[in-house]
Amino acid sequence: AQSVTQLGSHVSVSEGALVLLRCNYSSSVPPYLFWYVQYPNQGLQLLLKYTSAATLVKGINGFEAEFKKSETSFHLTKPSAHMSDAAEYFCAVSITGGGNKLTFGTGTQLKVEL
Amino acid sequence: GAGVSQSPSNKVTEKGKDVELRCDPISGHTALYWYRQRLGQGLEFLIYFQGNSAPDKSGLPSDRFSAERTGESVSTLTIQRTQQEDSAVYLCASSVETSGAIHEQFFGPGTRLTVL
Repeated sequence: AQSVTQLGSHVSVSEGALVLLRCNYSSSVPPYLFWYVQYPNQGLQLLLKYTSAATLVKGINGFEAEFKKSETSFHLTKPSAHMSDAAEYFCAVSITGGGNKLTFGTGTQLKVEL
Repeated sequence: GAGVSQSPSNKVTEKGKDVELRCDPISGHTALYWYRQRLGQGLEFLIYFQGNSAPDKSGLPSDRFSAERTGESVSTLTIQRTQQEDSAVYLCASSVETSGAIHEQFFGPGTRLTVL
């Protein structure tokens, strides 16, 4: 079975600072990895996904993530935080043959301060 | 085009009552998923429909939970004899057919269920 661990349920950064949200996965087969964002009172929106092509994946709103097999990690980064980035971020894993169902981490609430 | 829609957006019920939650997927999406998000926790997979195949019910927490889907259209999640631990946001997602590939799931806004 696959699983995801997100370190840090709450992360606070200053506007303009680097955003780093951590995600580690466990999977017995090559995984597909996703980052979703949930803004207040809205549904989840896909930020980016890794599907075994390039290990550095670029997403929307300036976010990117790097798949590191040796570290079983898929951390999300953004060079410069904006106030509008404040939201909850979820890392998720899926495997082929698993019906595309997603296994999610517990989420990281990102706060951006002036 | 319209996204995934869910109704009601909020539901308050008394312990022991049955509830039905509805999901309208994106037109043309053959795969449909239900997830549950309890306070302070990540999303938990509940059930998955793919075309005419038998649904994957492996995530349903008890036999009080069931779901149906009419063709490749609307789905209804039913919780019988609700308990307080059923209080959560129930999210529906849909995607294009998934055979042999992983596709983006598009999520609805969720139904917030509160069991008193």
